[in-house]
Amino acid sequence: DTAVSQTPKYLVTQMGNDKSIKCEQNLGHDTMYWYKQDSKKFLKIMFSYNNKELIINETVPNRFSPKSPDKAHLNLHINSLELGDSAVYFCASSLQLAGTSTDTQYFGPGTRLTVL
Amino acid sequence: KNEVEQSPQNLTAQEGEFITINCSYSVGISALHWLQQHPGGGIVSLFMLSSGKKKHGRLIATINIQEKHSSLHITASHPRDSAVYICAAFIINTDKLIFGTGTRLQVFP
Repeated sequence: DTAVSQTPKYLVTQMGNDKSIKCEQNLGHDTMYWYKQDSKKFLKIMFSYNNKELIINETVPNRFSPKSPDKAHLNLHINSLELGDSAVYFCASSLQLAGTSTDTQYFGPGTRLTVL
Repeated sequence: KNEVEQSPQNLTAQEGEFITINCSYSVGISALHWLQQHPGGGIVSLFMLSSGKKKHGRLIATINIQEKHSSLHITASHPRDSAVYICAAFIINTDKLIFGTGTRLQVFP
């Protein structure tokens, strides 16, 4: 049973395209996250989504938008893709919002996005 | 200078050795997160702690809020512990999460 799943695993696309990455968790968690890991393996949090409240990292361009159709899903939409968007994107979830609690986060396997 | 610093950057050890990875931060935090990233890329959350000490199997994490320092210890290290270990600090009264640059650990048999 996969706790946090992401699709697709790999995504190769042209600059300027719009793409989405899907994330689903079957843990009954209230909070989901998107992280970006760049080519230097540096991790950065992009969004936290908790009970319909979105917390955005202010450095994330507004071309990135998370969409949550329900509590178990948090999809990441990216418009007008740029070369610099190439990275591995990780989805995660936890029971309560990280930082306000010490609940464990569960990570998805990652989606490697390559923009050509 | 990053607000969250890890040391060492790289660490090699023989199987069975006791390992310590350090994480120092320069700002007030509400919690600190230790993560493990396997060579295949998968990420596992190890500990989230705001005070004291937590233990899970051979892994122990400690935090000293006054000294702004956390350590991750691995007892009786094993080659399967080879991974990158990352700490991340939740900045108090903000939504900010700042990651360290990671410590690459290799344990040889």
